[in-house]
Amino acid sequence: DTEVTQTPKHLVMGMTNKKSLKCEQHMGHRAMYWYKQKAKKPPELMFVYSYEKLSINESVPSRFSPECPNSSLLNLHLHALQPEDSALYLCASSQVPHQLGNQPQHFGDGTRLSIL
Amino acid sequence: GQQLNQSPQSMFIQEGEDVSMNCTSSSIFNTWLWYKQEPGEGPVLLIALYKAGELTSNGRLTAQFGITRKDSFLNISASIPSDVGIYFCAGTISNAGGTSYGKLTFGQGTILTVHP
Repeated sequence: DTEVTQTPKHLVMGMTNKKSLKCEQHMGHRAMYWYKQKAKKPPELMFVYSYEKLSINESVPSRFSPECPNSSLLNLHLHALQPEDSALYLCASSQVPHQLGNQPQHFGDGTRLSIL
Repeated sequence: GQQLNQSPQSMFIQEGEDVSMNCTSSSIFNTWLWYKQEPGEGPVLLIALYKAGELTSNGRLTAQFGITRKDSFLNISASIPSDVGIYFCAGTISNAGGTSYGKLTFGQGTILTVHP
């Protein structure tokens, strides 16, 4: 069982809808991540939060809006998505990285998003 | 961006055979990770490597952090049908600056099929 929980597991939405993806971890990690993954491809980093502050935005379109309400929760707010945004959205968490060493990221099972 | 060359892209093997896959890069890494992803799930961490030359086992899995810090391999011995999935190598680059030193660079994945 994954220690990173994502909801919902599946989401179908129209291009004009607003929805949110949720992620929760209770491992005491202070870094959390959003990734987008297409079928049989590696995950692509979207956002990184470190100590609840956004530290990396990989030039993600503004129709994706992340939020980190506290150290255990990470949200991804979706609005006016395009069909090409259909993918598996993965959340991950880890200890905060530092130059001398990095603890591995632990992934949730993702939300399968389909845009009609 | 930085690239990890992972090979082979896919493998079709008989149950009981040993499997070997590897990742190489022109960049120096300070962490190597190996993940397995099954359909409908997120990537699951198999082995984490932190030092050049490190050899680590996890059951039938063995992975090594290359001496040059530019490569890593994963071996699976006596494969079984439940080994089926996509295996990803990932690593953090040692000279990444600022907030980027926690970013994972992923290989393209090795799709493993095991025939009973």
